[in-house]
Amino acid sequence: DSGVTQTPKHLITATGQRVTLRCSPRSGDLSVYWYQQSLDQGLQFLIQYYNGEERAKGNILERFSAQQFPDLHSELNLSSLELGDSALYFCASSRGATADEQFFGPGTRLTVL
Amino acid sequence: DAKTTQPPSMDCAEGRAANLPCNHSTISGNEYVYWYRQIHSQGPQYIIHGLKNNETNEMASLIITEDRKSSTLILPHATLRDTAVYYCIVRFSTGTASKLTFGTGTRLQVTL
Repeated sequence: DSGVTQTPKHLITATGQRVTLRCSPRSGDLSVYWYQQSLDQGLQFLIQYYNGEERAKGNILERFSAQQFPDLHSELNLSSLELGDSALYFCASSRGATADEQFFGPGTRLTVL
Repeated sequence: DAKTTQPPSMDCAEGRAANLPCNHSTISGNEYVYWYRQIHSQGPQYIIHGLKNNETNEMASLIITEDRKSSTLILPHATLRDTAVYYCIVRFSTGTASKLTFGTGTRLQVTL
């Protein structure tokens, strides 16, 4: 158990819909990262927040957005969902903005039908 | 971040050492080598990292060649629970942000 929690574990929805994935970092961690893992693209970095501010952005689609709240939990919002958005979405956290070790949560499996 | 090359798969007998190679010939002087693994569809797990000296922790050892163009992760006594995909990642460990760029990794199968 990494100490990072993600909800929900599974999510099934239809194309065109919008969903919100939630992540609670380990106690004391200020950085939150989001990654997407799909069969064809592998594990891809989406975005990093540090203490509420966006720090790094990867290949995150414009239909996706994220934020980190004052209590440090984070949400990833996915809108206008397409079949290709079906994937495992992982959240990770770390102490600082450039910590050597990132602790990953168990992931949210999103299925878009 | 520098690109890495790993063999797609390897087998190892339980109890033997598993040696996983990684090529990172374009690594720059201030880039570190990191290893993570992913067991089935669980979240990736940090194993070890290093700059130029060999490193060892309770999970593994990391051997980096003198020219830093390649490295080897060593699991000294592999068990069935070490069956996973192992990712070698090269990245800067300074600055203001810290993303991990995962490649395709090496799928290690530990067998009886």
